[in-house]
Amino acid sequence: GIQVEQSPPDLILQEGANSTLRCNFSDSVNNLQWFHQNPWGQLINLFYIPSGTKQNGRLSATTVATERYSLLYISSSQTTDSGVYFCAVGRDTDKLIFGTGTRLQVFP
Amino acid sequence: GAGVSQSPSNKVTEKGKDVELRCDPISGHTALYWYRQSLGQGLEFLIYFQGNSAPDKSGLPSDRFSAERTGGSVSTLTIQRTQQEDSAVYLCASSFRGYEQYFGPGTRLTVT
Repeated sequence: GIQVEQSPPDLILQEGANSTLRCNFSDSVNNLQWFHQNPWGQLINLFYIPSGTKQNGRLSATTVATERYSLLYISSSQTTDSGVYFCAVGRDTDKLIFGTGTRLQVFP
Repeated sequence: GAGVSQSPSNKVTEKGKDVELRCDPISGHTALYWYRQSLGQGLEFLIYFQGNSAPDKSGLPSDRFSAERTGGSVSTLTIQRTQQEDSAVYLCASSFRGYEQYFGPGTRLTVT
């Protein structure tokens, strides 16, 4: 099956810093989503981005499907950005396969 | 509009008992998925319903697990004869025609 690797596994930042999270996947996909799991466990949709670049406020994401990776950029981080960021991939309408996540802690 | 809802939010049960977990998808979403999240296994797929097609049960860990979806909407995940290794957060997601998935808040199951 498809393997999904995320890096780094842990990230500690001071408020205001920028960061880049990476997701590598082992096979072709046409579904890729980024989620933020908040401290209460809710998975919040950040981006549906099987290819190309999208931006939403301080967050942006880029997926290069031909090279099998995606990047999530967080600029001017805030304490509310803390939590676990998951990348998940799939083919067509099939199930999502999740990476192991990047745990982000932002300190004031 | 309303998101995906799940009930109960927490469930504590004794080993060997049966449990039922409920998921109400977003109205109009044709696809419904169950996943579980545990410390040792991360987030893993369990079962997938799409319209009137036969469900994809390939992720169910044993025959103690089953799920149904009534009227193309609400789904129930049933675990029979629960074991301690079933303790996890069970997450439901729905999507329109199976693309971007939206998750509910989950049911935390603890088997004592």
